Amino acid sequence: GQQLNQSPQSMFIQEGEDVSMNCTSSSIFNTWLWYKQDPGEGPVLLIALYKAGELTSNGRLTAQFGITRKDSFLNISASIPSDVGIYFCAGTSNFNKFYFGSGTKLNVKP
Amino acid sequence: EAQVTQNPRYLITVTGKKLTVTCSQNMNHEYMSWYRQDPGLGLRQIYYSMNVEVTDKGDVPEGYKVSRKEKRNFPLILESPSPNQTSLYFCASSYRGLGTQYFGPGTRLLVL
Repeated sequence: GQQLNQSPQSMFIQEGEDVSMNCTSSSIFNTWLWYKQDPGEGPVLLIALYKAGELTSNGRLTAQFGITRKDSFLNISASIPSDVGIYFCAGTSNFNKFYFGSGTKLNVKP
Repeated sequence: EAQVTQNPRYLITVTGKKLTVTCSQNMNHEYMSWYRQDPGLGLRQIYYSMNVEVTDKGDVPEGYKVSRKEKRNFPLILESPSPNQTSLYFCASSYRGLGTQYFGPGTRLLVL
């Protein structure tokens, strides 16, 4: 199957710092999605990107759909303790098959 | 409340004993899907369904079966579970063609 490389695998940051993570694919996607998973729960959609080059924000979160359609980036500004969790990228070409990255575990020190 | 429900939430079973994990959504979504989550591997798609009676394989379908007889339900069947199917399973649903999936709370399965 398709491989999505997500980095970094984990991050330890201080409250108030900005965070960046990214995802690359060996294939082109038409849609990139970013999810957050809290312990013991299912992933929750944060941002959906539908067009190459698109930059979309959701509060302190900003995500970009790479120009090559093979990558995507998520930035979190001014992190707070409730940002703690695992962040996943996902890509799809046809809205039927979805491929997920291995996740970035974010830890925020108050 | 719009939601995806899964049952059971936790299950311990033995090798070879058939089991079914149920999934139900109340949002009238056409699309439903099953994933398994293993440490370091993220989520991998097992099967998906584009609508009633329409199902197809995801990336890791071996050892699993699904059926979609009604729009709201999409059960996952393990006919002869093996220890390598020990995992955390998620069901998800969405309107077809949108990709914005809503996930259930997960089912943690241990096969001894």
